[in-house]
Amino acid sequence: SQQGEEDPQALSIQEGENATMNCSYKTSINNLQWYRQNSGRGLVHLILIRSNEREKHSGRLRVTLDTSKKSSSLLITASRAADTASYFCATDAWSGNTPLVFGKGTRLSVIA
Amino acid sequence: DTGVSQDPRHKITKRGQNVTFRCDPISEHNRLYWYRQTLGQGPEFLTYFQNEAQLEKSRLLSDRFSAERPKGSFSTLEIQRTEQGDSAMYLCASSLGNQQPANTGELFFGEGSRLTVL
Repeated sequence: SQQGEEDPQALSIQEGENATMNCSYKTSINNLQWYRQNSGRGLVHLILIRSNEREKHSGRLRVTLDTSKKSSSLLITASRAADTASYFCATDAWSGNTPLVFGKGTRLSVIA
Repeated sequence: DTGVSQDPRHKITKRGQNVTFRCDPISEHNRLYWYRQTLGQGPEFLTYFQNEAQLEKSRLLSDRFSAERPKGSFSTLEIQRTEQGDSAMYLCASSLGNQQPANTGELFFGEGSRLTVL
């Protein structure tokens, strides 16, 4: 079963615009991670935010975490065509001895 | 290349045949994970190893699925008597984990093995 639910399922923006993706989850977590996947390829880790952190930055990425609402957001600023990919949130809850549980992802298209 | 490698990258087989996928993790990583991903979905956890011990296998989809990591290095995922519903991308990932089960850190994924069952 998938715990994280990303929203929107698909997002299309112009190059230079910001892209915001949201993730909601159901159980308490140790940390939440965001991954990127280009079509037909493996996943690449972007950023990890721990349950006691509220915001984290990495380059053009900004992640927030609200544990009271069980939600996270990923903001990509000044998007580029090369940012076109699927983005997944993954929660580390170790519920039922399951490591990272991934959502269904947001498909981002950045149009040049 | 010192990343996670998977072989084969693509496998086409007929229903009823057995298939085996191999994963070579990053050498110093003690944890190895198998996930399955179907089109338009996120990765679905199957099983994982810490060193040679398979610590969780209840998520394997049926008894036709089995995984091994005999020497705590590479791993194999075997699917017996394949069915068309097994068609998917099979992803392997590795990580460096402490002895506690909690707190999965960053996973390093391979490029996946795409299975097509005719």
